[in-house]
Order: sequence, then structure tokens, then C-alpha cells
Amino acid sequence: DSGVTQTPKHLITATGQRVTLRCSPRSGDLSVYWYQQSLDQGLQFLIQYYNGEERAKGNILERFSAQQFPDLHSELNLSSLELGDSALYFCASSKSGVSYQPQHFGDGTRLSIL
Amino acid sequence: KNEVEQSPQNLTAQEGEFITINCSYSVGISALHWLQQHPGGGIVSLFMLSSGKKKHGRLIATINIQEKHSSLHITASHPRDSAVYICAALLRMNYGGSQGNLIFGKGTKLSVKP
Repeated sequence: DSGVTQTPKHLITATGQRVTLRCSPRSGDLSVYWYQQSLDQGLQFLIQYYNGEERAKGNILERFSAQQFPDLHSELNLSSLELGDSALYFCASSKSGVSYQPQHFGDGTRLSIL
Repeated sequence: KNEVEQSPQNLTAQEGEFITINCSYSVGISALHWLQQHPGGGIVSLFMLSSGKKKHGRLIATINIQEKHSSLHITASHPRDSAVYICAALLRMNYGGSQGNLIFGKGTKLSVKP
């Protein structure tokens, strides 16, 4: 058990819809990262938050947004969903964002767009 | 060309064999992660290393910063080692720090037969 909790585990929805994925980091970790794993692209970094503020941005679409709340949990919002958004979405956390701390991964949310 | 390349893509071994998975990268890194992903999808961080060698049980990870190359070795392989092994580079930024986001290889699918 990594200590990182992601909900829901599975999500099935339709094109055009909006969903919210939730991540609770390990106790004491200030940094949260979101990753997308699709069959054709593999794992890709989406966005990082550190102590409530955006720290780094990767290949995140404009239709996607994220935030980290004062209690350090994070949400990833995906809107105007397309078939190609079907993927596993992972959250990871680490103690800080600019040191060489290891990242601990949640079990992922599997998003299926019908 | 991907910034992080892994080889081989697929690997089948007999139980007890010594296994090596290679990772080469073309960017400046602060550290390198080795991750294990089981068929259920969950990701476990095996190692994070920035120099030398680390060992945990039957797993050994090495990195050569000058050659931009890392290897993951599994001694006395077992069917339960069957998984996808992913190397991920933590980028070194110009100011010498890192932003925390990882760039992933495509993964090596390992199957160990009894």
C-alpha cells in the first residue's frame, strides 16, 4: 500500500461529459502529480501541484484542469470528454517537488469513454 | 526519438534466470526511477537512483550518469516477477533543480515461465 488513495477506481461515461478524479496523497507529502497512461502514448506527465500551487505542466489538454486543496488532496477535472481520453489516470505524491524524493503512486482511475 | 528508451520491449524468461532490462536517456536528469506495473495496473516504485547502484532483495539497479544508461537486474527470477518494468527520468532543470515530473520509457513486459 503506497498510502496514495485515488477515487473512483473505475469510471464509465459518454463523450461530451465531465468527470472529476480525486487523489489523496500520502500523509506528509506536499506534492501531487497527475499522469495519464493510454495504450498508444504510454505514461505521460500531466501536471504537478506543490502545497496548493501549480508547479509544473506537461502534456495536459486545455479541456483538463486540476487543483490542490488546503488539505492537500487534489482533483483532476476532465471536460468535453472524447473517446481518446479513455486511459488510466495515476496520481503520485512526494514529500516535496524540487528535491530527489521518490514518488509514490496510487492505484489509478480507469476512465472509459463510450 | 523518445528521450527515454528501454530495451527489450518484451522479455520471456525461465524461472531462475538472471534478467537485465536496459534504459537509456538523452536528457539531463536529476535521478531515475524504476517502476513495476502489474497486470492489474497498479504502479510500484522499485528504486530511485542518481548514481551508483542500489539493491533490494533480488533486484539490483545501476546507473552510469556519464553514459546516460541504467539497468535493472533480477536475480533468480520467479513467475511473480512477471510485470511491466518502466524506467522514468526525473528531469534536471537549468537551475540545477528539478520540477519533479517524470519522463517515462515505454516499458519492458517481462514474463517468467515456471
